[in-house]
Amino acid sequence: SQQGEEDPQALSIQEGENATMNCSYKTSINNLQWYRQNSGRGLVHLILIRSNEREKHSGRLRVTLDTSKKSSSLLITASRAADTASYFCATAPSNSGYALNFGKGTSLLVTP
Amino acid sequence: DAGVTQSPTHLIKTRGQQVTLRCSPKSGHDTVSWYQQALGQGPQFIFQYYEEEERQRGNFPDRFSGHQFPNYSSELNVNALLLGDSALYLCASSFLSTANYGYTFGSGTRLTVV
Repeated sequence: SQQGEEDPQALSIQEGENATMNCSYKTSINNLQWYRQNSGRGLVHLILIRSNEREKHSGRLRVTLDTSKKSSSLLITASRAADTASYFCATAPSNSGYALNFGKGTSLLVTP
Repeated sequence: DAGVTQSPTHLIKTRGQQVTLRCSPKSGHDTVSWYQQALGQGPQFIFQYYEEEERQRGNFPDRFSGHQFPNYSSELNVNALLLGDSALYLCASSFLSTANYGYTFGSGTRLTVV
């Protein structure tokens, strides 16, 4: 079963706009990670935020984490056509040191 | 720097057959995890191998088994294939058996069961 849920399921924006995706999860976690997947191929690790962190930046990416609400958001600023992909959040539960629990993902389409 | 390598990239099998998928981890990584991703879904954890042993297993039947070799490469075996086993199988490697760092994923093996 899926642990996390991303929202929205699909997002369509124009180049230059910002894209925001949200993720909710159910159990306490050690960390939360965001991955990108192009056209059903392998996942690319984007960013990891630990449970004691509230915000993290990496290039055009900004991730926030609210453990009290069990939610996270991924912001991609100044989107490019190359950002078109599916984005997944994955949680590393506190009671499980090895497995990542993924949501169903957000499909992002960035049009020129 | 070679990332995670999976073979084959595509595979078509008949119901009831057996299949073996292979994974070579990223250089310097010693842990391999396997995930199944059905169409339109997120990846689901199958199991993880570290030091040639299964460290953790997800909610998958015994038809799914694996192995890790001394060079850290790994195989995923699925017996008595069902139509529902059709999916993208992803291998992920990491250093040490922990989810506290990001995983490096391979491009996957697309398995179709007919």
